[in-house]
Amino acid sequence: DGGITQSPKYLFRKEGQNVTLSCEQNLNHDAMYWYRQDPGQGLRLIYYSQIVNDFQKGDIAEGYSVSREKKESFPLTVTSAQKNPTAFYLCASSSPGYGYTFGSGTRLTVV
Amino acid sequence: AQSVTQLGSHVSVSEGALVLLRCNYSSSVPPYLFWYVQYPNQGLQLLLKYTSAATLVKGINGFEAEFKKSETSFHLTKPSAHMSDAAEYFCAVSESGGYQKVTFGTGTKLQVIP
Repeated sequence: DGGITQSPKYLFRKEGQNVTLSCEQNLNHDAMYWYRQDPGQGLRLIYYSQIVNDFQKGDIAEGYSVSREKKESFPLTVTSAQKNPTAFYLCASSSPGYGYTFGSGTRLTVV
Repeated sequence: AQSVTQLGSHVSVSEGALVLLRCNYSSSVPPYLFWYVQYPNQGLQLLLKYTSAATLVKGINGFEAEFKKSETSFHLTKPSAHMSDAAEYFCAVSESGGYQKVTFGTGTKLQVIP
């Protein structure tokens, strides 16, 4: 079945450490997105990419970085510059005329 | 700029009662509108979408929503709540068919009381 796979499901980060969240899709969608979810704040867009080797900052890109070397993959790195990274991170993809398809999320906690 | 407002962060209904979750939108062009459902520690699942065809949209699990341009609303309803409907619901708007950025509301948690 086609879908989006996020890994790991749970991730723990130490202070000053960079961590990378994986997102892979086999839906052949061109566009991919990363959202951060905090209680009571809905979803906030971090980065999005509409084509391989191109991506744009969303509303809260500071402290995050992404790459899009393959159509299927859109990894997110949470850098040490992100001072409050504890959150639930959601990856999504889309194609024209359809809504988003979401992965099952990664819960990141600072320890 | 597009935006979405969901009225009520928490809604409680009795099992078998009507479910009504409210969503108002703002958009400079005819919008695409979506409702998503999220269960704990899961991603979001598309319930239904409005794409300028019929104003009454039917979705999965017995949910439907009506697009009212005059009221800039897209409220989600279900005639009879089931325990399995307990989840968080997000309304979303896109000015470009969902291919580009989609703006989400802050969510409404639905509690179903037995």
